[in-house]
Amino acid sequence: GESVGLHLPTLSVQEGDNSIINCAYSNSASDYFIWYKQESGKGPQFIIDIRSNMDKRQGQRVTVLLNKTVKHLSLQIAATQPGDSAVYFCAENRGHDMRFGAGTRLTVKP
Amino acid sequence: ETGVTQSPTHLIKTRGQQVTLRCSSQSGHNTVSWYQQALGQGPQFIFQYYREEENGRGNFPPRFSGLQFPNYSSELNVNALELDDSALYLCASSLEGGVRSPLHFGNGTRLTVT
Repeated sequence: GESVGLHLPTLSVQEGDNSIINCAYSNSASDYFIWYKQESGKGPQFIIDIRSNMDKRQGQRVTVLLNKTVKHLSLQIAATQPGDSAVYFCAENRGHDMRFGAGTRLTVKP
Repeated sequence: ETGVTQSPTHLIKTRGQQVTLRCSSQSGHNTVSWYQQALGQGPQFIFQYYREEENGRGNFPPRFSGLQFPNYSSELNVNALELDDSALYLCASSLEGGVRSPLHFGNGTRLTVT
């Protein structure tokens, strides 16, 4: 079936480096995508979204890239900080619900 | 601006019992969605309520039911609890049916079924 998935379950980066978290989706009809950050004991926190009529969107220290040709989404975090350590989820809209992937755990080493 | 709040934060129930979880949506949001998140997995869509009506449902049995009230707060009810119902239950609010608008999540209710 169609699903949202992630290439890597874990990612470890050095503080100050840039992080890239990848996501593959298979529903070509999806037209809206969101990245969420979830810290331990908390609910998912909205980071950034992108619509399918865009290839790139930037926020504060974060950039989302969308490649519709290969159905790939990525989240880039610049100058990664210890506070960025969390599980990151991509999600695609499926009608009235968002379909989430399994998540990537980002660990930032000091 | 008041965010999404959920109660209780933790709950322990016995198999076969019934449970009610509560959610207050973010101010200005009229749509509430409920998700189940098993340990180590991404959230899975249960259902959504918009203007007090169910507006979409995921692959969950009828023993999962909900309500939305005129003030947009919501309840999730689960009957005949099973061990596999143990999970984090997340409520999220959004604008106007939630289509192509961000979901804003609460911190969830951790349900343990023994």
